[in-house]
Amino acid sequence: DADVTQTPRNRITKTGKRIMLECSQTKGHDRMYWYRQDPGLGLRLIYYSFDVKDINKGEISDGYSVSRQAQAKFSLSLESAIPNQTALYFCATSASTTGFGEQYFGPGTRLTVT
Amino acid sequence: GEDVEQSLFLSVREGDSSVINCTYTDSSSTYLYWYKQEPGAGLQLLTYIFSNMDMKQDQRLTVLLNKKDKHLSLRIADTQTGDSAIYFCADGGYNKLIFGAGTRLAVHP
Repeated sequence: DADVTQTPRNRITKTGKRIMLECSQTKGHDRMYWYRQDPGLGLRLIYYSFDVKDINKGEISDGYSVSRQAQAKFSLSLESAIPNQTALYFCATSASTTGFGEQYFGPGTRLTVT
Repeated sequence: GEDVEQSLFLSVREGDSSVINCTYTDSSSTYLYWYKQEPGAGLQLLTYIFSNMDMKQDQRLTVLLNKKDKHLSLRIADTQTGDSAIYFCADGGYNKLIFGAGTRLAVHP
């Protein structure tokens, strides 16, 4: 079984709808991250969490919110989706001993906002 | 701000060596990383180098770091079709990880 799973894998939604992307991990890592990937721009950090009680904004947090429900679960919400949030979204984890650098990624969620 | 730059595309013949280059701006980087993304998948950590090292070799992969010029390269020896992917350079440490835009490696017969 995959160590980091994301649901759904693909989602098409309409402008203005609320949508939640979910991430679960079995690696036992404390740190979890949400990124978006756009062609030619690489990965940009949306939010990250160092443990269950800790939430931090990343580079591009506007229009997004997160919830760390448990050590193993970190969800990303778009309160009112807009077309420029169409992207590939990745969840990742890392151990607290290795900090940000050695991250383990889920397979991604392709989100299309029409 | 901190930045990581890579060329966007590289095409090589099967069996040749591939060299993917990266430059970064942050002089306080602790580690530099190479991640690989295959089609339809998330990123996978390939290798990394500590900032006080010049070179690291791991089977077919050789990482070279020129700290003075802030230049990092990844050499893949005997490139195979299975190496076709997007390769991301990342500048990181305990509290940050900044990705480049990725280099798409195409391997042709």
